[in-house]
Amino acid sequence: DAGVTQSPTHLIKTRGQHVTLRCSPISGHKSVSWYQQVLGQGPQFIFQYYEKEERGRGNFPDRFSARQFPNYSSELNVNALLLGDSALYLCASSLIPGQNTEAFFGQGTRLTVV
Amino acid sequence: GDSVTQMEGPVTLSEEAFLTINCTYTATGYPSLFWYVQYPGEGLQLLLKATKADDKGSNKGFEATYRKETTSFHLEKGSVQVSDSAVYFCALSEGAAGNKLTFGGGTRVLVKP
Repeated sequence: DAGVTQSPTHLIKTRGQHVTLRCSPISGHKSVSWYQQVLGQGPQFIFQYYEKEERGRGNFPDRFSARQFPNYSSELNVNALLLGDSALYLCASSLIPGQNTEAFFGQGTRLTVV
Repeated sequence: GDSVTQMEGPVTLSEEAFLTINCTYTATGYPSLFWYVQYPGEGLQLLLKATKADDKGSNKGFEATYRKETTSFHLEKGSVQVSDSAVYFCALSEGAAGNKLTFGGGTRVLVKP
């Protein structure tokens, strides 16, 4: 079975540009979450989506947005990129949102803003 | 708000040594606690979890016990291998927040042969 897949694996963008990151959850999983992991730090929660609705949002500016599609895949969009947005962006999928529900992580998209 | 604090690394050990990584948490309710591992160039993998006080999670020789009285979830392994070299993250999840995970800063472990 395929795990959580993210694309692209790496990309380089210039300050001020826009970026779209994509995530396909494990088959049957209906919840997708996004995390930002700055080098040398733990992941920080950005968004959670379940059944195409936003279920949670972390402390990130409005430049960050996301959506979930009918097939449960998801996109994370970041506008007006800043150097500080350089990070590994992780997507996690789970069957449903729940305290004890295991989240499975993809390998991430490494974004570098220059 | 919720927070997780874990010991800073790097932790350097010889093969077959005993490993302990300390983790303490702050939460308003009764969280579930997790340890995730990140091998070089890879995403996060769940190592073990505990969902209520006094539960012990275990996997691949690693253990951690949910201690509500000390708000701790320390990770231990009795005899490490070179293949255990990785970054270890302690995390919590609270029911009201779905399965949003709050992570500690990570502890890098390097095991030398």
